[in-house]
Amino acid sequence: ETGVTQTPRHLVMGMTNKKSLKCEQHLGHNAMYWYKQSAKKPLELMFVYSLEERVENNSVPSRFSPECPNSSHLFLHLHTLQPEDSALYLCASSLGTGEAYEQYFGPGTRLTVT
Amino acid sequence: GQNIDQPTEMTATEGAIVQINCTYQTSGFNGLFWYQQHAGEAPTFLSYNVLDGLEEKGRFSSFLSRSKGYSYLLLKELQMKDSASYLCAVRDSNYQLIWGAGTKLIIKP
Repeated sequence: ETGVTQTPRHLVMGMTNKKSLKCEQHLGHNAMYWYKQSAKKPLELMFVYSLEERVENNSVPSRFSPECPNSSHLFLHLHTLQPEDSALYLCASSLGTGEAYEQYFGPGTRLTVT
Repeated sequence: GQNIDQPTEMTATEGAIVQINCTYQTSGFNGLFWYQQHAGEAPTFLSYNVLDGLEEKGRFSSFLSRSKGYSYLLLKELQMKDSASYLCAVRDSNYQLIWGAGTKLIIKP
């Protein structure tokens, strides 16, 4: 139990569906992240929020839309996804975005796009 | 481009010692992290190195050589529960974390 929770744990959706992933951290951290993890590939950073402001968006397609209503919650809204978007989506948080702050990860949402 | 290299998979025997290497080419360096990830679970933090040398934490140690762009994670007295993927990540000059693809470690009795 890392103090970061994610729901749902598993999600199957069609290409025309709209769904949202939720992340919540109970650690009092100020930064939150969305990552995509595909088999045998490095973690891909998608979005970073620091103090509820988006500070990084690594050329992620617009079919992924993040939302950070407060420092404890992070959402990833999904619409018109492609089969290649099937992956494990990990949320993480850290005290800050500086060099020594380790990130605490949630268990991930396993997404399958059919 | 920026790159982190780690072996894809390693096998070791219970009770033995294993060293997992990580080499990196990044634009600047602001620290190196090792994480452990069991199958189907979240990555968990193991160690952080920013200065050259060895950091020891119980059965796990991590080494860094900034001049060589090289780190290793040393696991001693291996246990079956150490079977997992080990991820190396480097923070670059923009403080962005660059991740390796991970090394899957298989422990055999």
